[in-house]
Amino acid sequence: EPEVTQTPSHQVTQMGQEVILRCVPISNHLYFYWYRQILGQKVEFLVSFYNNEISEKSEIFDDQFSVERPDGSNFTLKIRSTKLEDSAMYFCATGGNAEAFFGQGTRLTVV
Amino acid sequence: SQQGEEDPQALSIQEGENATMNCSYKTSINNLQWYRQNSGRGLVHLILIRSNEREKHSGRLRVTLDTSKKSSSLLITASRAADTASYFCATLRNSGNTPLVFGKGTRLSVIA
Repeated sequence: EPEVTQTPSHQVTQMGQEVILRCVPISNHLYFYWYRQILGQKVEFLVSFYNNEISEKSEIFDDQFSVERPDGSNFTLKIRSTKLEDSAMYFCATGGNAEAFFGQGTRLTVV
Repeated sequence: SQQGEEDPQALSIQEGENATMNCSYKTSINNLQWYRQNSGRGLVHLILIRSNEREKHSGRLRVTLDTSKKSSSLLITASRAADTASYFCATLRNSGNTPLVFGKGTRLSVIA
């Protein structure tokens, strides 16, 4: 069964450093999303991406964040100058026509 | 309150009992979906119910949708210890590319 793959599964980084979270979507999907879940809280939408550009983003997705599809297969989320409050699970999702498939997530810990 | 609010926040039952979780939302939707999350793990899609559907079944899962009350329920019958997880409802406003809006989830504990 096709699945969304995220790497790394866990990343620890120093405050102020940049991190790149990677996602390999299901091959024929056209819509890509990043969500975030702070420990014990709800899953929050960050950004959606379609046709090589951002189609929608939330208030959370400020200038600290960026997304791209560098090579037509991977879908990345870059967080610049990480802060302690960026510690969370980050989920990639892909899909279209109202159903999303989620990866297992990357647990980001900023210390 | 926010779109997609589940209740109860936590539910503890004995193995073999049924578990019912509810979700309320505020805006009109295209569909509503239920997800499961084991502790610290990813989100697993359980079932999707469209706005023109009232009830849907999948194995031991039964989902209802009442668009007049803007609410949905997830029933897990004959629960097992392996059903222990958090369950989230997520709503989709329109078809296509609009993002899912998640509730805070219900933590279900099934005691063997």
